[in-house]
Amino acid sequence: DAKTTQPPSMDCAEGRAANLPCNHSTISGNEYVYWYRQIHSQGPQYIIHGLKNNETNEMASLIITEDRKSSTLILPHATLRDTAVYYCIVRVGGGTSYGKLTFGQGTILTVHP
Amino acid sequence: EAQVTQNPRYLITVTGKKLTVTCSQNMNHEYMSWYRQDPGLGLRQIYYSMNVEVTDKGDVPEGYKVSRKEKRNFPLILESPSPNQTSLYFCATARAGEAFFGQGTRLTVV
Repeated sequence: DAKTTQPPSMDCAEGRAANLPCNHSTISGNEYVYWYRQIHSQGPQYIIHGLKNNETNEMASLIITEDRKSSTLILPHATLRDTAVYYCIVRVGGGTSYGKLTFGQGTILTVHP
Repeated sequence: EAQVTQNPRYLITVTGKKLTVTCSQNMNHEYMSWYRQDPGLGLRQIYYSMNVEVTDKGDVPEGYKVSRKEKRNFPLILESPSPNQTSLYFCATARAGEAFFGQGTRLTVV
């Protein structure tokens, strides 16, 4: 699985958009980008994933560059409850696949009032 | 509601005393796995199972055993726990690329 690089920490004001970048310059054509978050020692929570098109769900939007070497997770209106560690993971498969998730150190997002 | 349930949530035990951490899921997923999380090392996979009676080692399997006799349950067994197994443990299932994690079990071995 391709390696990812994320900033160790970011701050965001409550109510503003949080834009979390991820670099995955060695991504292969069949690898998807996944985002998870972990709130204070709880189990990681799936947010969103995509292959090459931008994706949006009720939690967030995922913007993947055309060359697929980087992506940005967008939390459109961050709240204090969004304070968490955010992990960007690149791995093969999406559909009915399964398998190990390799977690890096992630980005600690702190949302402040 | 989709759930992955681990028990116990907290456990303090002594070196060498066998213990089992249970994991149960209600999503009928074939794939289940165990992770441990340690400061500075992140989440690392211990064992995984692709279906009933099919298990395999992850990245850090030493000192652990698992079994998968039925689809919903995937217990983690520490036959002779040691202090270096003090950690936060997570059970997870996965399907369609999405993983679901339990609440975690904080284990302390003294």
